[in-house]
Amino acid sequence: SSELTQDPAVSVALGQTVRITCQGDSLRSYYASWYQQKPGQAPVLVIYGKNNRPSGIPDRFSGSSSGNTASLTITGAQAEDEADYYCNSRDSSGNHLGVFGGGTKLTVL
Amino acid sequence: QVQLQESGPGLVKPSQTLSLTCTVSGGSISSGSYYWSWIRQPAGKGLEWIGRIYTSGSTNYNPSLKSRVTISVDTSKNQFSLKLSSVTAADTAVYYCARDFGYYGSGSYVGAFDIWGQGTMVTVSS
Repeated sequence: SSELTQDPAVSVALGQTVRITCQGDSLRSYYASWYQQKPGQAPVLVIYGKNNRPSGIPDRFSGSSSGNTASLTITGAQAEDEADYYCNSRDSSGNHLGVFGGGTKLTVL
Repeated sequence: QVQLQESGPGLVKPSQTLSLTCTVSGGSISSGSYYWSWIRQPAGKGLEWIGRIYTSGSTNYNPSLKSRVTISVDTSKNQFSLKLSSVTAADTAVYYCARDFGYYGSGSYVGAFDIWGQGTMVTVSS
């Protein structure tokens, strides 16, 4: 299967920890990457690979994976973390075709 | 630093061909082992990967769009382009170009889109 499934919406209290998950068979062979998208803006890569953060991404963002599930964890969520989050992986065709999850709307309360 | 910028018509008539170009600045499109991808997002909806090209000209496309998509590269202009034929209202979306990398690490494949253009809105309407 080339589908990635995310919860449509998640909320977290300011300063608390939240985990956003992504499920799909391809995650058994491919690491997920995670993107933050704020309204009217292009997505921004926040996590890729086992748990890699691009330069400029706060260390409160971390990634993990187990079986067919990848997770993005925000430890000590800030108001500015309120955004849509998308996971991405590659399908299992062998050609590394891109596939995105449906996105999770994170609300910081 | 590398930047990407999409350009092209914002309005396309149904049944016609959508054509967009992504210009890469701040670095050569041919340097490094990168693919160059197109991704789109209908208003209020999620991201959809359209396809990618390597500077050798090798391409991969989303199977759901493959019959209508052509991606090409012009290394002399540091650009890559998207053509989507026989468009309908369902192709109305913000279209992004992005740098696409991948490698094998820690036993699994690592892939990501690390640099994105700002996006360009394309409306399909008569």
